[in-house]
Amino acid sequence: QTVVTQEPSLTVSPGGTVTLTCASSTGAVTSGYYPNWFQQKPGQAPRALIYSTSNKHSWTPARFSGSLLGGKAALTLSGVQPEDEAEYYCLLYYGGAVVFGGGTKLTVL
Amino acid sequence: QVQLQESGPGLVKPSQTLSLTCTVSGGSISSGGYYWSWIRQHPGKGLEWIGYIYYSGSTYYNPSLKSRVTISVDTSKNQFSLKLSSVTAADTAVYYCARDAGRLRGFDYWGQGTLVTVSS
Repeated sequence: QTVVTQEPSLTVSPGGTVTLTCASSTGAVTSGYYPNWFQQKPGQAPRALIYSTSNKHSWTPARFSGSLLGGKAALTLSGVQPEDEAEYYCLLYYGGAVVFGGGTKLTVL
Repeated sequence: QVQLQESGPGLVKPSQTLSLTCTVSGGSISSGGYYWSWIRQHPGKGLEWIGYIYYSGSTYYNPSLKSRVTISVDTSKNQFSLKLSSVTAADTAVYYCARDAGRLRGFDYWGQGTLVTVSS
């Protein structure tokens, strides 16, 4: 059973920078896992932010960026806004299947 | 603007089959290039991918649910559906449909989700 692991929670100050990571139980995450990132606020459906490691959707704010960092997929928020407080999920592709990470609760405080 | 909308019973009895439909608007399932997916989220928990169907009818399911899941497509109605058999309380969740544009373009559009409760 493949497991994708994220930090359970992180806290950041408004205007600050924070990096969320996404690790695979199978080893280093590479671009071949085509990492996606999603934002979910309470009572709402997930909203897609990043696809294929670092590509932004047309609606993704510029302060969000994706990368690979130390064998993991990473989502960096620069200049964090209060409205960025949310749960963030990564997703990795494994062959024909898809596995979501457990999510990171980001608190802006 | 592509929109997806889930519909179906909000309450299902244990051992019965959960059935949901996702109606797609603003784009045609038949156009190809997309994997029409189901994802669920147990109350207060993370996201779990259930599976997808391509417009041609080919499917791929989460191995942990494969024995109970069937996803089908009706291109004439621009809909795809989920059936989950032999449900238990552990299947109580918000069920989402979503469009997966493939590895290079990722998941983009999601439905609003529908809560399905399994209870007698």
